[in-house]
Amino acid sequence: QQQVKQSPQSLIVQKGGIPIINCAYENTAFDYFPWYQQFPGKGPALLIAIRPDVSEKKEGRFTISFNKSAKQFSLHIMDSQPGDSATYFCAASTIGSNYKLTFGKGTLLTVNP
Amino acid sequence: DADVTQTPRNRITKTGKRIMLECSQTKGHDRMYWYRQDPGLGLRLIYYSFDVKDINKGEISDGYSVSRQAQAKFSLSLESAIPNQTALYFCATSDPQDRYNEQFFGPGTRLTVL
Repeated sequence: QQQVKQSPQSLIVQKGGIPIINCAYENTAFDYFPWYQQFPGKGPALLIAIRPDVSEKKEGRFTISFNKSAKQFSLHIMDSQPGDSATYFCAASTIGSNYKLTFGKGTLLTVNP
Repeated sequence: DADVTQTPRNRITKTGKRIMLECSQTKGHDRMYWYRQDPGLGLRLIYYSFDVKDINKGEISDGYSVSRQAQAKFSLSLESAIPNQTALYFCATSDPQDRYNEQFFGPGTRLTVL
């Protein structure tokens, strides 16, 4: 049972474009939604995260939008750059009580110059 | 810098061989994890350990075993490797004091089973 569904599987944009990656979850106990970024040859690393008490969080060019009623959240990358080319994983967990991060299947983003 | 390291980084082996992947960390974290990554399947949890005496199965533990030799070391073994265990393997750590459970990943081991 896949508890976090991520789409698209891959995405190609031109420099300056705004790629959007979407995730949907099923478990209403989830209350923390991080995004991890993975460059080729590296392990994933935390990029940005949101809690469901806010609808949006921005860090630099990265924005998470969160829709609690729809159980969906998305990552937007403003003014995307070739250096943003990476695999992005959304994830979900329950704060404080759960060891486990449930990951989406990942999105391979390519930003062309 | 506190870090998570994995050895080897690449390994090619044959079906039926026993393989051990090693993970060491200098972050001082009690929690350690092993994941495998396959194209289109994302990151799947194999085993996790909350401390030296606490080891738990993840969602895909069949065919794998682990050993927590010390707080800083967590090894993954494939007792008899098979081709469908060809994957990228990641070790990760987290601090139990961090209620958000941010995980810190090593650089990965690419394993090929022929």
